[in-house]
Amino acid sequence: GAGVSQTPSNKVTEKGKYVELRCDPISGHTALYWYRQSLGQGPEFLIYFQGTGAADDSGLPNDRFFAVRPEGSVSTLKIQRTERGDSAVYLCASSPSGGRINEQFFGPGTRLTVL
Amino acid sequence: EDKVVQSPLSLVVHEGDTVTLNCSYEVTNFRSLLWYKQEKKAPTFLFMLTSSGIEKKSGRLSSILDKKELFSILNITATQTGDSAIYLCAVPNTGNQFYFGTGTSLTVIP
Repeated sequence: GAGVSQTPSNKVTEKGKYVELRCDPISGHTALYWYRQSLGQGPEFLIYFQGTGAADDSGLPNDRFFAVRPEGSVSTLKIQRTERGDSAVYLCASSPSGGRINEQFFGPGTRLTVL
Repeated sequence: EDKVVQSPLSLVVHEGDTVTLNCSYEVTNFRSLLWYKQEKKAPTFLFMLTSSGIEKKSGRLSSILDKKELFSILNITATQTGDSAIYLCAVPNTGNQFYFGTGTSLTVIP
């Protein structure tokens, strides 16, 4: 079956611009996570959705970052007024509910470069 | 502050060698510990450990958790070049916030 997909795979933008990154989770997975991974680092938690609601957004670095999941499936991570320090790979993961909730399946990521 | 620490940061071995990767954690409300392999972009799931002392095994890979000493090890026997990757350790708390280590970069030389 289809795995987690993310679009675009690469995004180059200029400082100050707005970007949207999209994640399509595995069908039926209720939990969805966004992470940011910089070179040489492990993924850094940003936000976690359970269904449509953000169950934990404590990892969002500041109010320039926002994420939505309006119908409990596709999610969009939005970054306003991008800065060079936002450059990283943004990973999305989904997991089923219940006992397998911790088994995250990752998408291929979006590499964001802010010039 | 919750954290996950992996060691070594990088490792270079020859094919056929056995390696042990370490992961220690300090996470409140511990729920489980997971190991992932990251070759390009997407980490792929290897193991989830919830109980101490029970070894999980998959082919040449095995892992065990010690909840008293707060660490886990991942063993790879008879390494192959295809094992070259970054191995990530992650610990979620009961709130499902995942804490990842920086990873161990393994390079297997033919």
